[in-house]
Amino acid sequence: DADVTQTPRNRITKTGKRIMLECSQTKGHDRMYWYRQDPGLGLRLIYYSFDVKDINKGEISDGYSVSRQAQAKFSLSLESAIPNQTALYFCATSDDRVTLHTDTQYFGPGTRLTVL
Amino acid sequence: DQQVKQNSPSLSVQEGRISILNCDYTNSMFDYFLWYKKYPAEGPTFLISISSIKDKNEDGRFTVFLNKSAKHLSLHIVPSQPGDSAVYFCAASALSGSEKLVFGKGMKLTVNP
Repeated sequence: DADVTQTPRNRITKTGKRIMLECSQTKGHDRMYWYRQDPGLGLRLIYYSFDVKDINKGEISDGYSVSRQAQAKFSLSLESAIPNQTALYFCATSDDRVTLHTDTQYFGPGTRLTVL
Repeated sequence: DQQVKQNSPSLSVQEGRISILNCDYTNSMFDYFLWYKKYPAEGPTFLISISSIKDKNEDGRFTVFLNKSAKHLSLHIVPSQPGDSAVYFCAASALSGSEKLVFGKGMKLTVNP
């Protein structure tokens, strides 16, 4: 079984609809992240959470919100979807950097979201 | 302003030859660098990393070189194989920067049989 799973894998929705993307992990990591990928723009950080009580905005958080329901679950919501939120969305997890001297993040398979 | 730059969007090499992927960064606080590989319809997968206290890290066919004075790192793949064809992302982080990864835009590598 995959360590980081995302649901749904594909979603087509209409402008103005509320959408929730979900992420679950079995790696036991405290840290979780949401990124979006657009052609030619690489991966951009939307939100991140270092533990269940910690939520932080990334570089492009406008129009998005998140919820960290448990250590293993981190969901991303688009309250009112718009066409320029059409993108690939990735969830990622990582362990504590200071302890392990590593910043390796492990990614889910992605959700392709299309907003019409 | 982009802190991690992959200036070449694509690279094509012959199977068996060396692939060299380049990455430049502007933030002198970055102290950890990673390369990720991404196949279509999959999430990025970690490939290799290097700490700023080193100038080289090798893992099988993959070697990453870090030149701190030039703020430049490169990924060497020798020998290149068709299965290496993917998009490669360079990423960097700073312990003092709340440990977030900053990614480059990616480079598409094509290895021709």
